[in-house]
Amino acid sequence: DVKVTQSSRYLVKRTGEKVFLECVQDMDHENMFWYRQDPGLGLRLIYFSYDVKMKEKGDIPEGYSVSREKKERFSLILESASTNQTSMYLCASTPWGSGANVLTFGAGSRLTVL
Amino acid sequence: GENVEQHPSTLSVQEGDSAVIKCTYSDSASNYFPWYKQELGKGPQLIIDIRSNVGEKKDQRIAVTLNKTAKHFSLHITETQPEDSAVYFCAASMGGSSGSARQLTFGSGTQLTVLP
Repeated sequence: DVKVTQSSRYLVKRTGEKVFLECVQDMDHENMFWYRQDPGLGLRLIYFSYDVKMKEKGDIPEGYSVSREKKERFSLILESASTNQTSMYLCASTPWGSGANVLTFGAGSRLTVL
Repeated sequence: GENVEQHPSTLSVQEGDSAVIKCTYSDSASNYFPWYKQELGKGPQLIIDIRSNVGEKKDQRIAVTLNKTAKHFSLHITETQPEDSAVYFCAASMGGSSGSARQLTFGSGTQLTVLP
């Protein structure tokens, strides 16, 4: 029944490490998103992809990059992790057309950077 | 850009009582207002939404009201149950019924606790 899967639920990394967060969806959705969730700040969009190899910056892209080589997979990359990137990261997807504004979220990946 | 403010940040109610969460938005062009519920250990899930051509929408124990003039919308949960305990997020978008989720701006979230 799981539709958006984030493979790593909890990660602990050290400052300066390269971090990969993986997300896979099985709904054949065109659009995929990475959000960051912090207490008191809600959900903030980091990056968005509307097709394979296509990406757009969201509201807080600094320090992050993304990769979408296959339709079902969207990866978030922290090139050099910093302590201020300690957060919950949520992946989501939507189809094109009808339902394009209804997000299906994964369970989240909680990242701690020491 | 759009700014969405959500209050309160935490809310505790007795089981059976009603709960109300309020959001205000800044951009009068916004026309789509969803509410997401995030249970512990899970991702947010859409529970109800409303479009700007409607003033109120109900789905069993939950309802959403929209006041376009005042630019605020509210989530109402009646006869609360322990399983209603979760974090609730409001959001606003100019995308309308065919818009992309890319345009959604989320509120800061409300932790609702229903006390038995």
